[in-house]
Amino acid sequence: GENVGLHLPTLSVQEGDNSIINCAYSNSASDYFIWYKQESGKGPQFIIDIRSNMDKRQGQRVTVLLNKTVKHLSLQIAATQPGDSAVYFCALAEGGGYQKVTFGIGTKLQVIP
Amino acid sequence: DAGVIQSPRHEVTEMGQEVTLRCKPISGHNSLFWYRQTMMRGLELLIYFNNNVPIDDSGMPEDRFSAKMPNASFSTLKIQPSEPRDSAVYFCASSLEGAQPQHFGDGTRLSIL
Repeated sequence: GENVGLHLPTLSVQEGDNSIINCAYSNSASDYFIWYKQESGKGPQFIIDIRSNMDKRQGQRVTVLLNKTVKHLSLQIAATQPGDSAVYFCALAEGGGYQKVTFGIGTKLQVIP
Repeated sequence: DAGVIQSPRHEVTEMGQEVTLRCKPISGHNSLFWYRQTMMRGLELLIYFNNNVPIDDSGMPEDRFSAKMPNASFSTLKIQPSEPRDSAVYFCASSLEGAQPQHFGDGTRLSIL
């Protein structure tokens, strides 16, 4: 039969420009959000996280924004470099004793030199 | 600083054979996760251990899959008998505790012929 796989959203960005990767979620009980980067042939790598009591957090060249009202999360990468080319996953966890982490389908970032 | 170590990196075997995947988590991490990644379904959590005890195995596909964690430094995921639809990349990840940033291994690429 036909092999139908997940169609990853793709974002193409010129080297040096800023990238914005978006993630929408539906579970209002989610209180912990994480962004991971996965390069070809490797496992996902932690980038940055944010808890629901914050709406912005910054790291080195990356910023995560959280809008709980509209259940939206974004990852901003400043001055995108070729090494940033990868698949980016948002992941979220609910509050409570067992914080099960659920991963999104991912967004593929292509950096054009 | 050793990360999560998985073996083998690649496994090709015929259907019906037993497959055993191995994982060594980061020392001091209390939580261990097994994931499966495919084009069809993305990244799926199979099982989660905390302090060597299985907490959530609701993602284990069926009785052919089993996972053990005999001690804090070793876990196995076993498939018996294997089927072609089990072909995927299997990741092991560990974290200090629960949903905190997970550190992933580089995965085992499994092909069942």
